[in-house]
Formats: sequence, C-alpha cells, structure tokens
Amino acid sequence: ETGVTQTPRHLVMGMTNKKSLKCEQHLGHNAMYWYKQSAKKPLELMFVYNFKEQTENNSVPSRFSPECPNSSHLFLHLHTLQPEDSALYLCASSQVNSVTGELFFGEGSRLTVL
Amino acid sequence: DAKTTQPNSMESNEEEPVHLPCNHSTISGTDYIHWYRQLPSQGPEYVIHGLTSNVNNRMASLAIAEDRKSSTLILHRATLRDAAVYYCILKRQGGSEKLVFGKGTKLTVNP
Repeated sequence: ETGVTQTPRHLVMGMTNKKSLKCEQHLGHNAMYWYKQSAKKPLELMFVYNFKEQTENNSVPSRFSPECPNSSHLFLHLHTLQPEDSALYLCASSQVNSVTGELFFGEGSRLTVL
Repeated sequence: DAKTTQPNSMESNEEEPVHLPCNHSTISGTDYIHWYRQLPSQGPEYVIHGLTSNVNNRMASLAIAEDRKSSTLILHRATLRDAAVYYCILKRQGGSEKLVFGKGTKLTVNP
C-alpha cells in the first residue's frame, strides 16, 4: 500500500447511526487533515493534526469527532448526522516543514445521510 | 489567508497549450503560490509551486508576474486526462501547513 488510503469509499447511514471513516497514510508524514467537499462548494478544512495533536478545529459541529491515535492513522467518528452532512470527506497528509509543503490526498469517502 | 481569484471555467482543445490565470493582489512576501488539481472522483493532487521565479516540472509550468500579484499555470499540451478543477492557493512560508481551497477553475478539454 502506498499513499493515503481511505475506507470506506462509500457510506450510507441514517441520522441515528454511528459510523467511522478511516484514513491511513504510508508516507511517513507527521501531519494529517480532514476536509469536507459538498456539492458545488469549495473544499472546507475541518481538522488538522500535527504530530498526533489537534492543532485546528475549523468550527466543526461536535457530531463529527476526529481521532488520531498515531501519525499514520486518522479517524472521523460520525454520530447523529444530518442530511446536509452528505458530502465527500477527504483525508490528506503532509510532512511538516517540508520543502514543498505538498499535501497528499486520499480518494475520499462519499457519505450519504438519509 | 490571502485570497486568490480564478475564472470559474475554461475550455481548451486537445494537444493545445492551456494558460490558467490566477490573481492574488494581496499576496505577501512570504506567500508561496501553490497549484493543485482535482480530477473527477479523486482527491486533489499537487501540480507545482513557486515563490518568485518561473518554475517547470513534468506536469506543468508556473509563470509568476514580476510584482507577484498574478500567476499563470501553463499546460503545454492539454490531454483529455487534464480535464479537472485547478486550484491556485497561497501558502505562507513557516505558517500552518494547511491549504485553504477556493472554487478553482474547471478545465474542459475538447477532443
């Protein structure tokens, strides 16, 4: 496995369900990110983790709960979501203070909330 | 974060060069200009970045205006696989690692 892997690729859930999105990076990076991409809207940064510590929460509702157990894994726990939370959730990783500052993205998890 | 302005959409023909403009009139001296693109049903991918001088890599060229208030991403020969949304993003040196995306330019490549 190389790059950034996200699972599941597609998820359908009801408003009362609890589910989790998983992201794993095999690049040796030390920063990880969650972005949300709704239809016809720009990518919105949700959370940033540097060295497993959360350094940014972009006013995300508490029904989204991130977890970063180590620098290679990032989770997004979902609970009592709303239909407007349906979107593509993208995970990314990078190396802090690298020359290029390049972010590497996964292919995303497409979430549908019924 | 300093803002960038890009056209919503552009069209090109296959095998022809494409010039994608970006305005960033409030750019600061320590802001790098980054370009990413997002192919359909995929996450964004890095294309190129620069500070002051023009840059070339295997994917594209980046031409930066002398006053740095604008830049142009150049695809030398567009292919159908270059159809994507192209994002121009300013990233401050030494600042947060995050990227703030705008709406980008949707490039359509006609066969």
